[in-house]
Amino acid sequence: SYVLTQPPSVSVAPGQTARITCGGNNIGSKSVHWYQQKPGQAPVLVVYDDSDRPSGIPERFSGSNSGNTATLTISRVEAGDEADYYCQVWDSSSDHPEVFGGGTKLTVL
Amino acid sequence: QVQLQESGPGLVKPSQTLSLTCTVSGGSISSGDYYWSWIRQPPGKGLEWIGYIYYSGSTYYNPSLKSRVTISVDTSKNQFSLKLSSVTAADTAVYYCARVVIKGPHAIDYWGQGTLVTVSS
Repeated sequence: SYVLTQPPSVSVAPGQTARITCGGNNIGSKSVHWYQQKPGQAPVLVVYDDSDRPSGIPERFSGSNSGNTATLTISRVEAGDEADYYCQVWDSSSDHPEVFGGGTKLTVL
Repeated sequence: QVQLQESGPGLVKPSQTLSLTCTVSGGSISSGDYYWSWIRQPPGKGLEWIGYIYYSGSTYYNPSLKSRVTISVDTSKNQFSLKLSSVTAADTAVYYCARVVIKGPHAIDYWGQGTLVTVSS
């Protein structure tokens, strides 16, 4: 099955830019979704189809995807952005097409 | 606004069957635009797909759980359900029901709040 690799943790100071990566074999050929999960809460979709934002998600959240790496970028990071972030793809060619990355803990210093 | 709500026992004994139901409000489960999914998260760990169902009854199951999982749908009650048999402590997790958008690459746009199921004697 398709494997997505995320760094366990990323730290950033308030006001700076956080970049969370999601690695996978030729992931640039797939569409990637990103979810934010705060402690004790369900995940929330923050970016879909590589770079689109659902209604209500701040423009500070953006995504890109090329080659073997997809990236979630959070600009002007706020304390409230501290959370776990998960990437997800649908690998239609696989017998196990629905895949999550292992998650990245974003710490705001 | 679509809402999903999980319900079921919070404690299940080893070797027994875990049963959960998800009630959907604010939208019809019979919409052809969505799959209705179960996803779980062991304490302190990441997300794992269990599977999903279309309103017609067709299903997808995670191959690692397929032999133990059954997902069913009751369109008259706007509900779908999960059964996981022969549970062990490794099945202890928060179980989420969620809505998957079929059009495009299967984004999950709505989640339930999740329910913790503990497997213990």
